[in-house]
Amino acid sequence: DAGITQSPRYKITETGRQVTLMCHQTWSHSYMFWYRQDLGHGLRLIYYSAAADITDKGEVPDGYVVSRSKTENFPLTLESATRSQTSVYFCASTALTSADTQYFGPGTRLTVL
Amino acid sequence: EDQVTQSPEALRLQEGESSSLNCSYTVSGLRGLFWYRQDPGKGPEFLFTLYSAGEEKEKERLKATLTKKESFLHITAPKPEDSATYLCAVSLGGSQGNLIFGKGTKLSVKP
Repeated sequence: DAGITQSPRYKITETGRQVTLMCHQTWSHSYMFWYRQDLGHGLRLIYYSAAADITDKGEVPDGYVVSRSKTENFPLTLESATRSQTSVYFCASTALTSADTQYFGPGTRLTVL
Repeated sequence: EDQVTQSPEALRLQEGESSSLNCSYTVSGLRGLFWYRQDPGKGPEFLFTLYSAGEEKEKERLKATLTKKESFLHITAPKPEDSATYLCAVSLGGSQGNLIFGKGTKLSVKP
């Protein structure tokens, strides 16, 4: 009964390095999302995916890349990390339609030095 | 511009002291309004979904209501374990499925 998992849970990296955050869900949900949570901003959508091989930008996509080759996985890559990308990242998924309840993973706390 | 505003930002209650959290929204084409609970260091945990004005849902000490412009999360006789940040989010019509979140209300319940 794993649900939705994220790895790593904590990550420290340096400016300019490439970092990949992993998200895995066991429900076979169609939609998956990546959010970032920062003080004063709440949760903001980075990218989302309606199905395997279908992705689209959200509110704050700059500096991030996603892929979805399998329904259950939705990795988020920071191609060249910047300090402004220090944040807590949450992955979420939903089953039937994009308007349905989203279920969130435990988050990855990323620090860029 | 679509917007979700939660108030107050923080709320301190004594155990047993009932109160309400507010979520007001200005959006076009509301598909649903969601309440989540978030504990420190954890992901948001789903509480309720409301789809139409007049709808109400209850779970233990929590009751969520929805009007055309706002939603309330009523907390009856809270306990210390109800302490958390409560997030409100709205889902819009159209193909993009993201939720627009408010900044949350941090609730502290003292014994």
